[in-house]
Amino acid sequence: EPEVTQTPSHQVTQMGQEVILRCVPISNHLYFYWYRQILGQKVEFLVSFYNNEISEKSEIFDDQFSVERPDGSNFTLKIRSTKLEDSAMYFCASSEEVTGELFFGEGSRLTVL
Amino acid sequence: SQQGEEDPQALSIQEGENATMNCSYKTSINNLQWYRQNSGRGLVHLILIRSNEREKHSGRLRVTLDTSKKSSSLLITASRAADTASYFCATDANGNNRLAFGKGNQVVVIP
Repeated sequence: EPEVTQTPSHQVTQMGQEVILRCVPISNHLYFYWYRQILGQKVEFLVSFYNNEISEKSEIFDDQFSVERPDGSNFTLKIRSTKLEDSAMYFCASSEEVTGELFFGEGSRLTVL
Repeated sequence: SQQGEEDPQALSIQEGENATMNCSYKTSINNLQWYRQNSGRGLVHLILIRSNEREKHSGRLRVTLDTSKKSSSLLITASRAADTASYFCATDANGNNRLAFGKGNQVVVIP
């Protein structure tokens, strides 16, 4: 069964460092998303991406965050200068249509020290 | 029940029993979705119910939606140990998959 894959599964970084989280969405999906879940808190929407541009972004997705689809398969989330409060599980998701079932990856746990 | 600001609920049941969990929301919606998350794992989509639907079934799952009360329920019938997980409702206000998740209900099914 097709699945969304994310790497790395866990990354530890120092505050102020740049981090890139990678995702390979399901191949025939056109809509891509990043969500995050801070430990013990709700899953929060960060950004949606379609046709090589951001469709929507939340208040969390400030200038420190960026997304990119550098080739036909990868979808990346970059955090330019990490803060302690960026520590969370980051989930990539994709969907075939603009609305409906989201397929989530297993997540990348980011720990900022 | 799940709601934007409430603490997560925990439910512990015996295998074979039914598990019911509730979700409430505050704004109008295009659809509401339920997801399952096993500890430390990703979210798995269970079922989607649109705002013009009142009830939907999928296998052992039954979801209801009451838009007048802005609430939904998820029923898992004949629970199994493998159903042990956290269950989240998520609302889609505009039909664009910008989901607002609840805090989740933790369900433990005792074999």
